[in-house]
Amino acid sequence: DQQVKQNSPSLSVQEGRISILNCDYTNSMFDYFLWYKKYPAEGPTFLISISSIKDKNEDGRFTVFLNKSAKHLSLHIVPSQPGDSAVYFCAATDYNQGGKLIFGQGTELSVKP
Amino acid sequence: DAGVIQSPRHEVTEMGQEVTLRCKPISGHDYLFWYRQTMMRGLELLIYFNNNVPIDDSGMPEDRFSAKMPNASFSTLKIQPSEPRDSAVYFCASSSGTEDSPLHFGNGTRLTVT
Repeated sequence: DQQVKQNSPSLSVQEGRISILNCDYTNSMFDYFLWYKKYPAEGPTFLISISSIKDKNEDGRFTVFLNKSAKHLSLHIVPSQPGDSAVYFCAATDYNQGGKLIFGQGTELSVKP
Repeated sequence: DAGVIQSPRHEVTEMGQEVTLRCKPISGHDYLFWYRQTMMRGLELLIYFNNNVPIDDSGMPEDRFSAKMPNASFSTLKIQPSEPRDSAVYFCASSSGTEDSPLHFGNGTRLTVT
């Protein structure tokens, strides 16, 4: 039972354009959501997060949107750069569960010059 | 801060052999997590510890898998006997368990069982 789902295994975007990565979850107890970025042969690194009491969080070129009623979140990257090419993992947690993160399958983003 | 350190980076072994993966968490982090990455399921949580005590091992695939944390600076994940379907990248991560302290991952161990 996949509680966090990323239905697009890959996404290709032109440099300078917007990248939108999507994530759906099923567990209504999740109260904190994160995005991680992963380059080949490296571990995932934290990118941006959002608490369930917010619907938007912005950090430079990265913005995460949360729609609790739809159990959906998205990551927007504007403008996209070739260095953003990586695998992006969506993750969710219920901090009553000790902070363990449940991850999606990942979306591989390719930003073409 | 050296980050989370995992060893070995690559492990190739034959089916039936014992495999031990090692992890040194970030100093001061109370939580340690073992994840496995596969194409089909992404990052799966196998087990996590709080203050060296296993809290949730519901993600451990079967009895062939075991994990220990003898002290705050070291953990092992053992597979015995190993099978080809165990081939994956295994990640260790640590955190202080608060919202503003997300998980910090090591660079992983790529395991190939032939």
